[in-house]
Amino acid sequence: AQKVTQAQTEISVVEKEDVTLDCVYETRDTTYYLFWYKQPPSGELVFLIRRNSFDEQNEISGRYSWNFQKSTSSFNFTITASQVVDSAVYFCALSEEGGGADGLTFGKGTHLIIQP
Amino acid sequence: EAQVTQNPRYLITVTGKKLTVTCSQNMNHEYMSWYRQDPGLGLRQIYYSMNVEVTDKGDVPEGYKVSRKEKRNFPLILESPSPNQTSLYFCASSLVASFQDTQYFGPGTRLTVL
Repeated sequence: AQKVTQAQTEISVVEKEDVTLDCVYETRDTTYYLFWYKQPPSGELVFLIRRNSFDEQNEISGRYSWNFQKSTSSFNFTITASQVVDSAVYFCALSEEGGGADGLTFGKGTHLIIQP
Repeated sequence: EAQVTQNPRYLITVTGKKLTVTCSQNMNHEYMSWYRQDPGLGLRQIYYSMNVEVTDKGDVPEGYKVSRKEKRNFPLILESPSPNQTSLYFCASSLVASFQDTQYFGPGTRLTVL
């Protein structure tokens, strides 16, 4: 079973629009961490945020915000007033206490295109 | 600058020709791992290492080898590459070998096996 689902394969919006990237996860553990990474066209993976399962407070960092809801097993990412530089593939990932050192389980990514 | 480096960044090779992709981190991280990224599949873990001389298989280890003789280095070895190993490879590291820690990724190595 897929543990991290990013149902939106590709999203295209016009610059300055707000856009939300969805992430739904599945785990039996009560202790786990969720992550978002950005992969710009240059190809590297850039860490954006880490959230633990006991902290459901929303987080805002500039134009970026994250909405963590345990009730729906979701960790959605919103970009406000999008810019062309936000164009990238965004990955949501999960690490579980029961997973030990097995590493991150990634979703398949959402390709975000910001059109000028 | 704290970073994870990989070499080479791009490599085109032929089936069966042994190759090594190097990975090095300068952050004194305990944990290192290798992932491959394929279209439509996201990133999948190949191998990981919790510390020097401690390595273990990830989700897709077939056809790969690793070693961890020094804390900073974690090379990925393809003894006999095949076309299905054409992929984008990432090395990552974290301070400790814990699910709680953040993994930081290298710039990636794009490998093509003809």
